[in-house]
Amino acid sequence: AQSVTQPDIHITVSEGASLELRCNYSYGATPYLFWYVQSPGQGLQLLLKYFSGDTLVQGIKGFEAEFKRSQSSFNLRKPSVHWSDAAEYFCAVDYPGGGADGLTFGKGTHLIIQP
Amino acid sequence: NAGVTQTPKFQVLKTGQSMTLQCAQDMNHEYMSWYRQDPGMGLRLIHYSVGAGITDQGEVPNGYNVSRSTTEDFPLRLLSAAPSQTSVYFCASSPRRRGGSSGNTIYFGEGSWLTVV
Repeated sequence: AQSVTQPDIHITVSEGASLELRCNYSYGATPYLFWYVQSPGQGLQLLLKYFSGDTLVQGIKGFEAEFKRSQSSFNLRKPSVHWSDAAEYFCAVDYPGGGADGLTFGKGTHLIIQP
Repeated sequence: NAGVTQTPKFQVLKTGQSMTLQCAQDMNHEYMSWYRQDPGMGLRLIHYSVGAGITDQGEVPNGYNVSRSTTEDFPLRLLSAAPSQTSVYFCASSPRRRGGSSGNTIYFGEGSWLTVV
């Protein structure tokens, strides 16, 4: 079955430190890949997406993600985190030619920023 | 810019009651969908629609009905609420069919918090 795995439920990072959030997918071909962020009590905001082409994708708020086909991964990175980055982060995929027309989400990674 | 608007934002229901979560988008998007979000589960697709008059089931459709009589609106109905339907519900839309894989961004509403007691 198609699936998305975010191995880290919680991550704690000091303000100013670098960040990497992991995402792995299970699918025979390359899916379409997304990262969303959700602040407490809010909806989801798209950070970045990958469809094809350059495997390093730039997003909003200083985030980037790299698609690695050999590892079936789409990890999210930020060189220096700010306290306002504390939130829940979701990796999501859409499988072209798949069944239901919608995104499959990982279970999320809760990011905590230490002062 | 209204985007995707969901109402109500908060609702408490008694077991067995029915209700409708409203979703409207003002972007003339073909594709609309409903997700539920539960702790530790991420978001799961309930139902979706690729155009007026066309709906289909997602991963967790049981207990929910939808219809799409206009491009703008995609209500989600709970016919007989159960405690297991306590969740946060998100409506989403995107410009064309096949949501993300058409090269589209999927836009989410701000969520509806539903508690069934």
